[in-house]
Amino acid sequence: QVQLVQSGAEVKKPGASVRVSCKASGYSFSGYYIHWVRQAPGQGLEWMGWINTKSGGTNSAQKFQVRVTMTMDMSISTAYLELTSLRSDDTAVYYCARPYGGSTYSFDYWGQGTLVTVSS
Amino acid sequence: QSVLTQPPSASGTPGQRVTISCSGGSSNIGSNSVSWYQQVPGTAPKLLIYRNNQRPSGIPDRFSGSKSGTSASLAISGLQSEDEAEYYCATWDDTLNGLVFGTGTKFTVL
Repeated sequence: QVQLVQSGAEVKKPGASVRVSCKASGYSFSGYYIHWVRQAPGQGLEWMGWINTKSGGTNSAQKFQVRVTMTMDMSISTAYLELTSLRSDDTAVYYCARPYGGSTYSFDYWGQGTLVTVSS
Repeated sequence: QSVLTQPPSASGTPGQRVTISCSGGSSNIGSNSVSWYQQVPGTAPKLLIYRNNQRPSGIPDRFSGSKSGTSASLAISGLQSEDEAEYYCATWDDTLNGLVFGTGTKFTVL
């Protein structure tokens, strides 16, 4: 069965960087993009960007373009999200997600979420 | 501040049919398809509707979606207590060149 398993919770200081991993199983990793979505406590969903798991190409939301790097290791079917220059308002649950079937931006499989807490 | 506006809250009684609206503009809903998600607190979102009105396998036909112009709606019929959750719409925005989510609607079954 399709699974996206993310790395564990992180606590970081302002100005630091964090890397979250998302390991895919149960399907061909290169067959679907991986997207990243975050959710601050008590807030809504915010799309961060995607990585093309066949070519490694990426596209990120304008808000994050300077601070986000999305990478992958095809040999272990894992995608990574790195966010730099962390601020307190980066405290959120970060999700990876896979598009549904032939759809591009509708996500039927999600990771369990990784809580990143930014605090001094 | 999201470009897709949803009512902050909505409610219904068991068995009732309710709708949740999502209002956008020409660069998003007006020119791209809409998805809907259900999120129970503490869990990842669940895809209910894609391409405006299509249900993924396993989603009951109590859930339906529609789109007209720059607005979209999610309808839930035969309300059940398990439908109590937060609901989000989402679509691509051509101006922002990114996926945008609605502000979210907290739905309560009375």
